Amino acid sequence: EVNLVESGGRLVQPGGSLRLSCTASGFNFSRFEMTWVRQTPGKGLEWVSYITSGSDVRHYAFSVEGRFTVSRDNANDSLYLQMTNLRVDDTAIYYCARATATVTYALDSWGQGTLVAVSS
Amino acid sequence: QSALTQPASVSGSPGQSITISCTGTRSDIGGYNHVSWYQQLPDKAPKLLIYDVSNRPSGVSDRFSGSKSGNTASLTISGLQADDEADYYCSSLRPSSLYVFGTGTKVTVL
Repeated sequence: EVNLVESGGRLVQPGGSLRLSCTASGFNFSRFEMTWVRQTPGKGLEWVSYITSGSDVRHYAFSVEGRFTVSRDNANDSLYLQMTNLRVDDTAIYYCARATATVTYALDSWGQGTLVAVSS
Repeated sequence: QSALTQPASVSGSPGQSITISCTGTRSDIGGYNHVSWYQQLPDKAPKLLIYDVSNRPSGVSDRFSGSKSGNTASLTISGLQADDEADYYCSSLRPSSLYVFGTGTKVTVL
């Protein structure tokens, strides 16, 4: 069974930094592209970042470009999101999600999410 | 970077069919057949229902179907059931930002 477990979310002050982790199991992690998606409490979904299986291509939403960095460790089945210069409007539940095996731009497995709260 | 437009809410009685629309532009929905739909039950993570406009992943009920016409995609739920009450989101490829989601639709079963 595919399983994705996020961790690292907590309360942080504006301007601070945080590193989120996502541990994968139940599938060959190294063969799949991965994404981060966030959801503001009570509101909609927003795609945050994307990374290819070999880390050669990374994309970011305009709202986080230059502040967030996505990375992965295929040897340890882990995905990361390094977040810097955090702003109040970065407050959200952050999900890691797996892209489908074929190129569909769909996300077929999601973690349960980790809450990041940015507040003074 | 605007989201795709969905109605805020749609409702129906058990057994009825409902349709949720998702409107974009030629730069996303209208230009590519990479439209997906997700169901988000209360306090749960989203679940993939439809990919590439009309394809269902293994295990998803055939009561869920997708289509597209021009810049608008649609999700139809047939034989509406109480446990279909959830938020539904569309998504599309938009090369300028890779993925774009819809504003979300709350489905209520009367």
